[in-house]
Amino acid sequence: GAVVSQHPSRVICKSGTSVKIECRSLDFQATTMFWYRQFPKKSLMLMATSNEGSKATYEQGVEKDKFLINHASLTLSTLTVTSAHPEDSSFYICSARDYQGHYGYTFGSGTRLTVV
Amino acid sequence: SQKIEQNSEALNIQEGKTATLTCNYTNYSPAYLQWYRQDPGRGPVFLLLIRENEKEKRKERLKVTFDTTLKQSLFHITASQPADSATYLCALGRDDKIIFGKGTRLHILP
Repeated sequence: GAVVSQHPSRVICKSGTSVKIECRSLDFQATTMFWYRQFPKKSLMLMATSNEGSKATYEQGVEKDKFLINHASLTLSTLTVTSAHPEDSSFYICSARDYQGHYGYTFGSGTRLTVV
Repeated sequence: SQKIEQNSEALNIQEGKTATLTCNYTNYSPAYLQWYRQDPGRGPVFLLLIRENEKEKRKERLKVTFDTTLKQSLFHITASQPADSATYLCALGRDDKIIFGKGTRLHILP
């Protein structure tokens, strides 16, 4: 079935540095990928929709200069958290939809970001 | 604004019984509804999708109902097992955009 690979699974970085998270669709092409953020005991909040070959669409309240998204190919989208601060610490998850499969969304395993 | 409510933060069910989880929504007309399972520190895993014109869907021990009049979906796990213990998320969608509920933590007690 459809597999989405997300790396790294955990990352600790210092305040002010940038962190890049990768999301790859392994056995299907994804023209659209989605980036979510999840706080403990909270629902997944959609941050942005990543479109291959064009600019990402950000949800209201999400700073596009803070969370840079690049979708350079049909199988890879990246999220870069720039100038990270402790409040950016969270669980980030990507997903893609495999239209040839079950029509649900396939999620990556998530990235736990801790900014110290 | 759109709102999704999933019943109780945690649900304890005895092994072998049927677990029933509820998802209610307001201010939204989804074209489809999905259920996902999420284990701690992991991404959600898709379980079932049901469309607005469908009343019920089954997959092995899972059953989902969708009542667009009541704006409610019920998710059933029959013959529950301790391995079914996880958080279950309800998600509503139209086109490519989906919104998630907070989830219900299900504990199956041996």
